[in-house]
Amino acid sequence: GDSVTQMEGPVTLSEEAFLTINCTYTATGYPSLFWYVQYPGEGLQLLLKATKADDKGSNKGFEATYRKETTSFHLEKGSVQVSDSAVYFCALQEDSSYKLIFGSGTRLLVRP
Amino acid sequence: EAGVTQFPSHSVIEKGQTVTLRCDPISGHDNLYWYRRVMGKEIKFLLHFVKESKQDESGMPNNRFLAERTGGTYSTLKVQPAELEDSGVYFCASSRGLALDIQYFGAGTRLSVL
Repeated sequence: GDSVTQMEGPVTLSEEAFLTINCTYTATGYPSLFWYVQYPGEGLQLLLKATKADDKGSNKGFEATYRKETTSFHLEKGSVQVSDSAVYFCALQEDSSYKLIFGSGTRLLVRP
Repeated sequence: EAGVTQFPSHSVIEKGQTVTLRCDPISGHDNLYWYRRVMGKEIKFLLHFVKESKQDESGMPNNRFLAERTGGTYSTLKVQPAELEDSGVYFCASSRGLALDIQYFGAGTRLSVL
């Protein structure tokens, strides 16, 4: 079945460092791909998405490119801030399906 | 516009007891979903309502779990009797009409079964 694999955390970075969180997926069809973020004490929020191959999703300085050839959707940010400390979840959704399939989440801690 | 609301935010019960979680979706959202994250692992789909009808309950772990959505508004998820392995964070989400509409999540209910 479909699945999402994320790099294990926690990831600890200093402020202004470059961030990469790896995400790869297995899917039978042509899914849409998402990154959700959960800040402390809050619900999951959609950070960005991409619906087809080579699409780039971006939001709040974060970017991820849908790579069909490597089945990946890695999250990147050029300069992280303390306020980016959160848990990040990669997810996929098959075409015409309502169900989101998530990875296990990666905790990011940014130190001043 | 109010977001998805879940309560309680945290529930601590003993094994064998019953717990009921509640979710209020965003007004006007026909689709309501329940997901669960156990022991820091991946978030897993439990079930999907369209209005008051269960569209997909393939993720429900066993018959100790009962979800309802009377009148197509709020939803409840009852666990009876609760077991230790039911501990985790239960998320509710809602969306409008189409499959790829964004799902908006609540803050979750953390369930601890002792």
